[in-house]
Amino acid sequence: QVQLVESGGGVVQPGGSLRLSCAASGFTFSSYGMHWVRQAPGKGLEWVAFIRYDGSNKYYADSVKGRFTISRDNSKNTLYLQMNSLRAEDTAVYYCAKKQWPPAGAFDIWGQGTMVTVSS
Amino acid sequence: DIVMTQSPDSLAVSLGERATINCKSSQSVLYSSNNKNYLAWYQQKPGQPPKLLIYWASTRESGVPDRFSGSGSGTDFTLTISSLQAEDVAVYYCQQYYSTPPGITFGGGTKVEIK
Repeated sequence: QVQLVESGGGVVQPGGSLRLSCAASGFTFSSYGMHWVRQAPGKGLEWVAFIRYDGSNKYYADSVKGRFTISRDNSKNTLYLQMNSLRAEDTAVYYCAKKQWPPAGAFDIWGQGTMVTVSS
Repeated sequence: DIVMTQSPDSLAVSLGERATINCKSSQSVLYSSNNKNYLAWYQQKPGQPPKLLIYWASTRESGVPDRFSGSGSGTDFTLTISSLQAEDVAVYYCQQYYSTPPGITFGGGTKVEIK
């Protein structure tokens, strides 16, 4: 079935780095844009980053621009989020989400999320 | 960025009664070329990821019960649960996707509980 599975979360010190992965299955991964969305403990949803289906364009929230990098490997059906210079305020559950077929733009499939904790 | 404001922050409704959640955008999310509102609603149950309920402001995602309905246009939108069931206890979020990334924004969420 259609599925997204995140991995790579954990505890990291401020200033450290982490790489998240999102493995896709059950759909043609290379045909869809993909997002990362995060949710701080007890808080709402915050969009983080987007990458087009072919990786040609990438976009970031101002809060992570210059520190996070989104990428994808369509041969491995996998989405990535490289997170550098991590701060306490980056502590959150990180979800990957699939963009609907254009022109629809809602997020129709979500992973279960991976927790990132930035703490000394 | 388009700011999405939801109201109320929480509401308690008796089983079988109607629940109504409002969402207001700081600017119109109606795209004139196709007359579609770029507005979605999500449901998030405790410990689970969000689930898409409604897109294009009023189109139910496949498999979503018909007690969930979306309405509104331009800047004012409503999610209605016509007859609240126990399994509908969750936080509900609206989202605009009118602004292409990096402008996608979510509302702050509305927590729905049983009275």
